[in-house]
Amino acid sequence: GAGVSQTPSNKVTEKGKYVELRCDPISGHTALYWYRQSLGQGPEFLIYFQGTGAADDSGLPNDRFFAVRPEGSVSTLKIQRTERGDSAVYLCASSSPFGEQFFGPGTRLTVL
Amino acid sequence: KNEVEQSPQNLTAQEGEFITINCSYSVGISALHWLQQHPGGGIVSLFMLSSGKKKHGRLIATINIQEKHSSLHITASHPRDSAVYICAVRSGGATNKLIFGTGTLLAVQP
Repeated sequence: GAGVSQTPSNKVTEKGKYVELRCDPISGHTALYWYRQSLGQGPEFLIYFQGTGAADDSGLPNDRFFAVRPEGSVSTLKIQRTERGDSAVYLCASSSPFGEQFFGPGTRLTVL
Repeated sequence: KNEVEQSPQNLTAQEGEFITINCSYSVGISALHWLQQHPGGGIVSLFMLSSGKKKHGRLIATINIQEKHSSLHITASHPRDSAVYICAVRSGGATNKLIFGTGTLLAVQP
């Protein structure tokens, strides 16, 4: 595609629910990153995929967060038992290996 | 102390003014990015640099690796430049993840 796309653009859920956030990277980009941006803050790293494997998941805050990229393209970030503190904009970026990262528009998650 | 510090946090300028945003970092890096984020919008990469200076239109980015410092300059600023400007460093090693500063909110008034 022309750029990185993310769906949904907005997600409102209730505390305790499960959510899935999707990222479609730029075609051919092997590297994919998830970041989280809280209000008034810079983004923070969550997880990095090289191909299908999570090469670095050190930024995931706890075991309620999980991400997959089964075919090395689309990735899904999964959050179980959502908490109000999970409310943030979740950003996805993709790149060629060691290349410039291109960001998606983000998914704004609100946990009520 | 954050690994990436930006200054100022907020900046208001008059149209036409020359603007400088500064970024200092404390970790080893393989590259530094300057990014632009409009309210409610996604992040756009302005520059990726690892040495020297780059120019694109009215934007100029410089980096001094020895001093671990970078600057973003905007010449002849315009209200449409109003946005959050974020400095991010690409950590060394296999991950290539970005470590972000907290951003500089720029408002250019007509």
